[in-house]
Amino acid sequence: SYVLTQPPSVSVAPGQTARITCGGNNIGSKSVHWYQQKPGQAPVLVVYDDSDRPSGIPERFSGSNSGNTATLTISRVEAGDEADYYCQVWDSSSDHGYVFGTGTKVTVL
Amino acid sequence: QVQLVQSGAEVKKPGSSVKVSCKASGGTFSSYAISWVRQAPGQGLEWMGGIIPIFGTANYAQKFQGRVTITADESTSTAYMELSSLRSEDTAVYYCASSPIVVVPAAFDYWGQGTLVTVSS
Repeated sequence: SYVLTQPPSVSVAPGQTARITCGGNNIGSKSVHWYQQKPGQAPVLVVYDDSDRPSGIPERFSGSNSGNTATLTISRVEAGDEADYYCQVWDSSSDHGYVFGTGTKVTVL
Repeated sequence: QVQLVQSGAEVKKPGSSVKVSCKASGGTFSSYAISWVRQAPGQGLEWMGGIIPIFGTANYAQKFQGRVTITADESTSTAYMELSSLRSEDTAVYYCASSPIVVVPAAFDYWGQGTLVTVSS
């Protein structure tokens, strides 16, 4: 089955840039979606189809995808960005299902 | 704006089954696919399966094949997830999530509030 690997944690100071990677075999050929989840809450979609933002999501959130790595970038990080972040793809191989990454905890110092 | 409202928390015995509902409003039920995602305490997100209500056919993650059944009732805009042969490891928050029906399965743009299922003797 398809595996998506994320770093367990990323720490960043307020106002700086956080980059969260999502590694997968030839992930650049897939559409990657990113979710933010705060404690006790349901996930929220922050980036879809590699780099598009749903309405209401700040421009500070951006995404890219190439080769074996997709990246979610959070610019000008704020305290409210502290959360868990998950990448997701649709795996069209024999499993035919959605796959989530292992998740990254972003801590704002 | 789609809203997904799930049924309440459940406590179940090992070996029993649980059925969680997810009622949609504010959108056209037939234009969405509904997926179920679970999250064990302190763990990540895990996709269990999904259904396109207008087609009525579901597909399931291999891990849950034979143990999960996902259905939808278009007349009430409600989707259901039933998990059988429960064990303690099934203790988790279960979410429903919707995605628009497009050529390639899309992102989950709306989520339910989650339903805590506790499996304990």
